[in-house]
Amino acid sequence: EAGVTQSPTHLIKTRGQQVTLRCSPISGHTSVYWYQQALGLGLQFLLWYDEGEERNRGNFPPRFSGRQFPNYSSELNVNALELEDSALYLCASGQPERMEQYFGPGTRLTVT
Amino acid sequence: QQQVKQSPQSLIVQKGGISIINCAYENTAFDYFPWYQQFPGKGPALLIAIRPDVSEKKEGRFTISFNKSAKQFSLHIMDSQPGDSATYFCAAGGYGYSTLTFGKGTMLLVSP
Repeated sequence: EAGVTQSPTHLIKTRGQQVTLRCSPISGHTSVYWYQQALGLGLQFLLWYDEGEERNRGNFPPRFSGRQFPNYSSELNVNALELEDSALYLCASGQPERMEQYFGPGTRLTVT
Repeated sequence: QQQVKQSPQSLIVQKGGISIINCAYENTAFDYFPWYQQFPGKGPALLIAIRPDVSEKKEGRFTISFNKSAKQFSLHIMDSQPGDSATYFCAAGGYGYSTLTFGKGTMLLVSP
């Protein structure tokens, strides 16, 4: 069974630019969760999508947004990039009633 | 009420020793407590999880101990090996909560 996949692996962007990260969940999972892992800050919850709807978001500004497609894959968009957005962005998938979340390898975003 | 406090921040254990990482939570509605293992440059991998109807769960060399009254749970790694060197995260969640709340992580180094 294929795991969670994310693309791209690495990205380098300039302040003020916009970026889109992609995630494909494990087959059969309807939920996608996005987390930011900045150096020394652990995993910070960003967004949760289930069945195509945004179910909840963490304490992040509106320039962090996303969507989930009918095939349950998801995109995370970050507008007006700031230096502090440099982090590993992790996507996890699961079935909300089972609580388990399985993570992808992440996308390393560097903002210069 | 959503915090999960993890200790220690880092840990050095000799090969063959026991590694112990502790977590404490505040929200009594949490009923799912997983541990994740993360190697550098990789996404976190679900290691083992427990629900509060049992006080201990063992999978191979990994054991979770759970103390509901103290609102604490811990990960024990028996016969620690250099390949166990990684960052370990505890988390907590529950039905009706959108996602998991993670501890800050523990960097474990197992010396040969």
